[in-house]
This record gives sequence, structure tokens and C-alpha cells, in this order.
Amino acid sequence: AQTVTQSQPEMSVQEAETVTLSCTYDTSESDYYLFWYKQPPSRQMILVIRQEAYKQQNATENRFSVNFQKAAKSFSLKISDSQLGDAAMYFCAYRSAGGGSNYKLTFGKGTLLTVNP
Amino acid sequence: SAVISQKPSRDICQRGTSLTIQCQVDSQVTMMFWYRQQPGQSLTLIATANQGSEATYESGFVIDKFPISRPNLTFSTLTVSNMSPEDSSIYLCSVQSRFTDTQYFGPGTRLTVL
Repeated sequence: AQTVTQSQPEMSVQEAETVTLSCTYDTSESDYYLFWYKQPPSRQMILVIRQEAYKQQNATENRFSVNFQKAAKSFSLKISDSQLGDAAMYFCAYRSAGGGSNYKLTFGKGTLLTVNP
Repeated sequence: SAVISQKPSRDICQRGTSLTIQCQVDSQVTMMFWYRQQPGQSLTLIATANQGSEATYESGFVIDKFPISRPNLTFSTLTVSNMSPEDSSIYLCSVQSRFTDTQYFGPGTRLTVL
């Protein structure tokens, strides 16, 4: 079974600074997807960014980018120019490629990000 | 992305009662899922809601406790039966987009059992 580990229960960053959240995963599969979701206090799960394992290029969405190291099974999230609205719980998630039960998402325990003004 | 609504957004229930949570999506989707998020914890998949057939449950979750219906491609319900305080959690519905190959989540239902 796949596992996802987020080793940082909490992180803090100053507004306008950059922060990196860590995620590692364990799998024997070669094709899969990785995601970062954000959950603010409103509890809505919001997709931040996704990465296909077969793509070597790291995904980028505006101020959010990932460092995907497939051999090391590492998938970190970098937030640049942090804003107060970035404060939330961030979850890393894994999903096998393919259909059927493979659509199941496996989540890490989350990292609580605080943004200080 | 799909627009997903859940009702109720929150509820406080008495031990031994049941609560049905509704999930509505604004477009037809192939896959719908129900997750549980216990206080301070991550999300755990309860089951995949299958249209027109019985849901597929994950290990540790059973149909008698969490009956699920999905009468069509845009609607599903999750019932939490014979509730105990340990069932106090956020319950989230999600859908798999066939266009972006990504799961999107509803706003969640916060359940408190006294």
C-alpha cells in the first residue's frame, strides 16, 4: 500500500517570504499522480497543484511550485511571496494512475502553515 | 472544476440517531467519493459511491454503519447510522473530473455527536 509522509506538522513564514513544505511517499508503482491540497479554516479542500509522475518538468501554478524528485520519492511544495491568505493546512496526496479503485487518494497528515504579517 | 454542494453544512446530533448527508455536483461525473476527517486528522476514504449499484467500501468501513446511495450521476448521500461521539468528524464528498483527472471536494459537513 502507498503511504504519504509529511514530516513538518507546523511551519511558519513571514509575509512576502518563501516557504517550502516537505512530502515523501512510498510506492512500488511507476505511474501515479501527486497533489497538494489546501484546507483553510473554512474546511474547504482546495487543489493547489498537481504533478504527473511521468513528467520530468516540475509543475508551477503562479506562486506555487513543486520540486518533484521521483527517484527520491519526494514532492515538496514551494510557496513564493507568501500572503496572509495562504495560511491553511496543506495536505500532500498520492493517487495511482489508471481507473477504478485507483482513483483513491492517499493523504499525508498535513502541515499547518502560519503566515505572519 | 466542478461545483459541489453538501447539505447540511453542520449538525449536532444525539447518540444513537442517524444523519444523512447530501452531495450534489453541477455536472455529470463518473466517480464520487466520501471521506472522513476526524478532528485534527487527515482525510480517510470511506467508500466510492457507484451509480446504480452498491458502494465500494474501504477497509474498516461497513455498509450497515455508512450506507451510501447514488441514484444518478450528480447526486449521492451518505448516512451515518447509530451515531456515537466517535463519529464526530468532518465528512467530505469528492468527485473525479474526467476532464482534468483530478478530484474536487465539497465544502464538507461538520458533525458533532453528543
